[in-house]
Amino acid sequence: EIVLTQSPATLSLSPGERATLSCRASQSVSDYVAWYQQRPGQAPRLLIYDASIRATGIPARFSVSGSGTDFTLTISSLEPEDSAIYYCQQRNNWPPYTFGQGTKLEIK
Amino acid sequence: EVQLVESGGGLVQPGGSLRLSCTASGFTFTNYWMHWVREAPGKGLVWVSRINTDGSSTSYADSVKGRFTISRDNAKNTLSLQMNSLRVEDTGVYYCAREFFDIQDYWGQGTLVTVSS
Repeated sequence: EIVLTQSPATLSLSPGERATLSCRASQSVSDYVAWYQQRPGQAPRLLIYDASIRATGIPARFSVSGSGTDFTLTISSLEPEDSAIYYCQQRNNWPPYTFGQGTKLEIK
Repeated sequence: EVQLVESGGGLVQPGGSLRLSCTASGFTFTNYWMHWVREAPGKGLVWVSRINTDGSSTSYADSVKGRFTISRDNAKNTLSLQMNSLRVEDTGVYYCAREFFDIQDYWGQGTLVTVSS
């Protein structure tokens, strides 16, 4: 089973700042990583898949870099509605489809 | 608009059973594989099960294998999860989700399952 480790666990930033979230895989997952945003009380929402493809309606300020075992989600200019938990997920080797433990992003 | 609506959650004692349902609309249900994913309190997202378009192929997380059964009724646009021999650690919000290239692109709002004596 591929383990995904996300860091940091919590991130607290101000509107307009840049957020950098990390996801590291225990073995190579090629480019097959997806990122989800889960706002409080809501279902997860797909942001980006296959490392860099934004889902429908996702603004360009969300981007992902990396391949293999190390991936970074960058939110270029934070807005208050970006406050959420962000999860990475791999689809390179399943079952199981594994998720990271999440990074909680707080907007001050 | 894609909609997934879960139902069937509730409070159940350890060892008990529960059947979750997910009603899909806004897309051609028969064309998509479907998943169940659990959000355990304070533990993030955990994939539970997946079923292919006609129900002939299923997969399960090791933690639920032999206890949970995923199924679908394409005539009724409904996905189900039969959960038997429930354990305290099965507690959480259960989401159904549509699959798109091995990822989950649309999720329902979830249904809460609490296993407690």
